[in-house]
Amino acid sequence: DVKVTQSSRYLVKRTGEKVFLECVQDMDHENMFWYRQDPGLGLRLIYFSYDVKMKEKGDIPEGYSVSREKKERFSLILESASTNQTSMYLCASSLVGSGAHNEQFFGPGTRLTVL
Amino acid sequence: GENVEQHPSTLSVQEGDSAVIKCTYSDSASNYFPWYKQELGKRPQLIIDIRSNVGEKKDQRIAVTLNKTAKHFSLHITETQPEDSAVYFCAAPNYGGSQGNLIFGKGTKLSVKP
Repeated sequence: DVKVTQSSRYLVKRTGEKVFLECVQDMDHENMFWYRQDPGLGLRLIYFSYDVKMKEKGDIPEGYSVSREKKERFSLILESASTNQTSMYLCASSLVGSGAHNEQFFGPGTRLTVL
Repeated sequence: GENVEQHPSTLSVQEGDSAVIKCTYSDSASNYFPWYKQELGKRPQLIIDIRSNVGEKKDQRIAVTLNKTAKHFSLHITETQPEDSAVYFCAAPNYGGSQGNLIFGKGTKLSVKP
């Protein structure tokens, strides 16, 4: 079974802090994704990566950056957390090939609260 | 880029009834349409998908239909059970940028009443 793990289930941070969310997958997937899930807005793509050190912006990249130094690990960084970044963050991965045509395997999510 | 609309946002049915969730998409080049189920407190998981070379695909009590002319696809759940209660997301490909990704609908919260 594909296993996608995220570093924290719940996280509370203060406004202005730098926040790191970590995601690790154990199935040698090329593609990795970060989504934000808010009630009534569905899953919105923040960034994705199709190879080590490669990244591409999704629909809502403002206020976020990412890092992929190793194939199995994809990090989401909030440079200066703000209250409007309070949300559920989901990581996902998929096999080599177009990220548009392959099943995505999701992590359990990190619920981030910014005070 | 691709735009995906999903309806209804909430759906309540009696156990044993059928449920239908519909999605429309904008890019006629799209050719892969997955459905994900997210139970309360859990991660989304793929339950069924369809590619554009077929019009319908079934897996036990769930089926997906695709109408490429009208650019819509639907999830059908028959003989609903309480464990079908969840949020369901449709998705369609977005080919913008150098690599493709999926655009998800806003979700449908299905409640099955015993």
